[in-house]
Amino acid sequence: AQTVTQSQPEMSVQEAETVTLSCTYDTSESDYYLFWYKQPPSRQMILVIRQEAYKQQNATENRFSVNFQKAAKSFSLKISDSQLGDAAMYFCAYRSAQGGSEKLVFGKGTKLTVNP
Amino acid sequence: EAQVTQNPRYLITVTGKKLTVTCSQNMNHEYMSWYRQDPGLGLRQIYYSMNVEVTDKGDVPEGYKVSRKEKRNFPLILESPSPNQTSLYFCASSFSYRVETQYFGPGTRLLVL
Repeated sequence: AQTVTQSQPEMSVQEAETVTLSCTYDTSESDYYLFWYKQPPSRQMILVIRQEAYKQQNATENRFSVNFQKAAKSFSLKISDSQLGDAAMYFCAYRSAQGGSEKLVFGKGTKLTVNP
Repeated sequence: EAQVTQNPRYLITVTGKKLTVTCSQNMNHEYMSWYRQDPGLGLRQIYYSMNVEVTDKGDVPEGYKVSRKEKRNFPLILESPSPNQTSLYFCASSFSYRVETQYFGPGTRLLVL
């Protein structure tokens, strides 16, 4: 079974600075998807960024980018120019690309605090 | 507006009193799923549905039932709730397994006394 590990329960960053959240995963599959979801205090789950395992290029979405290291099974999220609105729980998630395996496997989350 | 809706958003109930949490999506998605979120455990899948009348167990199905009679609706049923089912519940949907992004509802916070 696949597992996702987020080793940092909490992180903090100064406004306008850069922070990196770590995520590692364990799988025997070669084709899969990886995601970062943001959960603000409203509790809504918001997709931040996604990465297809077959793509070597790291995904980017505005101030959010990932460092995807397939061999190392690592998928870190970098937030540049941090803003107060980035404060939230961040969850890393894995999904198999095999048909019938739509389940998202989540890590336990990292709570990000942004200091003004 | 494309969205996943859940009702109720907050619910306090007592042990053994049957309840249903509704989930509805207006995006014509085939795939729907229920997760529960507990502190320190992240989100875990309860049940999922590939399409109408097709449902299957996730990782933590005990104590829950689901049905998928219509494509847009996927209710979660707790026949006899217990305190260990106190949690935050999320419904999610996606067009199909070929489209990887799942869209989440706003969550339902349940307290079972």
